[in-house]
Amino acid sequence: GQNIDQPTEMTATEGAIVQINCTYQTSGFNGLFWYQQHAGEAPTFLSYNVLDGLEEKGRFSSFLSRSKGYSYLLLKELQMKDSASYLCAVRRYGNNRLAFGKGNQVVVIP
Amino acid sequence: NAGVTQTPKFQVLKTGQSMTLQCAQDMNHEYMSWYRQDPGMGLRLIHYSVGAGITDQGEVPNGYNVSRSTTEDFPLRLLSAAPSQTSVYFCASSQGLGVDEQFFGPGTRLTVL
Repeated sequence: GQNIDQPTEMTATEGAIVQINCTYQTSGFNGLFWYQQHAGEAPTFLSYNVLDGLEEKGRFSSFLSRSKGYSYLLLKELQMKDSASYLCAVRRYGNNRLAFGKGNQVVVIP
Repeated sequence: NAGVTQTPKFQVLKTGQSMTLQCAQDMNHEYMSWYRQDPGMGLRLIHYSVGAGITDQGEVPNGYNVSRSTTEDFPLRLLSAAPSQTSVYFCASSQGLGVDEQFFGPGTRLTVL
């Protein structure tokens, strides 16, 4: 099976930087996804990592260490609209099934 | 493209009733899946399909049936609704493997009394 752990909630100030961590245990790792989910809405794709290192996409960056079973999502220059839940999801070889963590709620305050 | 569509958006059922949640996608995606999302539990996979005519169970399949007669449609059937099935249901689709994000529908909020 897969075990995915994320902290549950954090508060940060507009303009700040926040790091959201995700640790996982799985066999046959084949990629880690980050999704953003606003309250009452569907998840939307943010980033994907399959090799070690940092992927940057504008204000969002995602990092992966396969040997440590660890990823983080970095949100820079926080905006009020970044208040959302951030979900990490792990995919295994052989199928396209995703196993999701419980999500991390980020609250941005002025 | 409409993307992934789901109907209905809201539904209230009584215990023991049956119903079908509809899901359709117009992106010619091979892979489709159904998740349920409960507070504090995250998204959990119910059933998935890797192509027309092929379905398989996910993490929490009991009480649900699916079929995939066409590439576009992937309905989820609740056979005899129970209060434990009160949840938000999301359908998702993706092209296949690779850097291949899943696109989610808007969700169906189901309450079973």
